[in-house]
Amino acid sequence: DAKTTQPPSMDCAEGRAANLPCNHSTISGNEYVYWYRQIHSQGPQYIIHGLKNNETNEMASLIITEDRKSSTLILPHATLRDTAVYYCIETLGGFKTIFGAGTRLFVKA
Amino acid sequence: GAGVSQTPSNKVTEKGKYVELRCDPISGHTALYWYRQSLGQGPEFLIYFQGTGAADDSGLPNDRFFAVRPEGSVSTLKIQRTERGDSAVYLCASSSGLAGGLEQFFGPGTRLTVL
Repeated sequence: DAKTTQPPSMDCAEGRAANLPCNHSTISGNEYVYWYRQIHSQGPQYIIHGLKNNETNEMASLIITEDRKSSTLILPHATLRDTAVYYCIETLGGFKTIFGAGTRLFVKA
Repeated sequence: GAGVSQTPSNKVTEKGKYVELRCDPISGHTALYWYRQSLGQGPEFLIYFQGTGAADDSGLPNDRFFAVRPEGSVSTLKIQRTERGDSAVYLCASSSGLAGGLEQFFGPGTRLTVL
């Protein structure tokens, strides 16, 4: 079973920031938090990952709480093309990876 | 550069038949993963290779499922005596396997339908 919990769905207005939460209360000290997204009928796409520090790349920002029990993925200016299922995953070294059901993000015009 | 490719894109077979699904990973990636995904669910881990060896096959549902990667590149997922419940999208992913480069790159999947 997945060790992370996410809301099943969220809405966001186009052009606004989308903030997707994830709880990973059982995460151990050497486990990373990875985020992927899956657009309909495509394979999942890597977004970002982090261990302790906040991370930012061209796609998104990842904010990890100090106790590492939760994180938030931020899409700063959501577009219609960001409509997808977003998965938050704990993974030790990135190998065996257990996906949950994810959060279905709807970006609305 | 070329991404992960999977063939065929669609496979329709009859219950009881044998099928092979192929995955071509990104060149140079040492780690290769197989998942299956049913409608409305997240990908389900099946097996992970590091080089030629299966490092973790704990996700294979039963002994009808088998995967190989004989030369450490292309991998084949083999399903014997297919059942209707095997119908799903089978996804393959690869990663560099190096520290700091563990993000997985996914192929488009093979949609298997067992009639």
